Amino acid sequence: EDQVTQSPEALRLQEGESSSLNCSYTVSGLRGLFWYRQDPGKGPEFLFTLYSAGEEKEKERLKATLTKKESFLHITAPKPEDSATYLCAALDQTGANNLFFGTGTRLTVIP
Amino acid sequence: KAGVTQTPRYLIKTRGQQVTLSCSPISGHRSVSWYQQTPGQGLQFLFEYFSETQRNKGNFPGRFSGRQFSNSRSEMNVSTLELGDSALYLCASSSGSANEKLFFGSGTQLSVL
Repeated sequence: EDQVTQSPEALRLQEGESSSLNCSYTVSGLRGLFWYRQDPGKGPEFLFTLYSAGEEKEKERLKATLTKKESFLHITAPKPEDSATYLCAALDQTGANNLFFGTGTRLTVIP
Repeated sequence: KAGVTQTPRYLIKTRGQQVTLSCSPISGHRSVSWYQQTPGQGLQFLFEYFSETQRNKGNFPGRFSGRQFSNSRSEMNVSTLELGDSALYLCASSSGSANEKLFFGSGTQLSVL
């Protein structure tokens, strides 16, 4: 059964304190690994898509990486505005265009 | 370009009632997907519509149904509401190609009393 697990559930960082969020996936024939950001009261907002092991993508203070079993979202020198819930989602090879989401990591960056 | 619009923003219903939620996708997008989000389960896929046809379906009971109109707008219906149906219902649109990123609306918060 396809499954996506994220850790930690919650993370508190001081402003400027870098860290990483983990996403472990068990998906038959991964077609894409997605990262989304969700702010309170809003829908998820797309950040990255990774397609194959070894791939990396960057956007401002965020960098996403992918291995055959995990993806990491590295946050470098975070700012308070980076506080949000970060969601990881996997798309499998069934041809069905639905995403398997993890339950997210709630990040709080303290000034 | 306007984003994905969901109405209403909040709904309060009682057990046994039915509810209809509406979603207007981004102009030009032909695929609309619906997700249920709860604190314990996270986001779970309900179904996807493409060009007025249900293309994919998640593991939800038949009480959950949807449809898509010729202008790509979509509605989701839940009949015989149960307390466990309380959740944030999110709609997402895309052009419909595989591996494509989804654009989400802000959701409809449904509370069943």
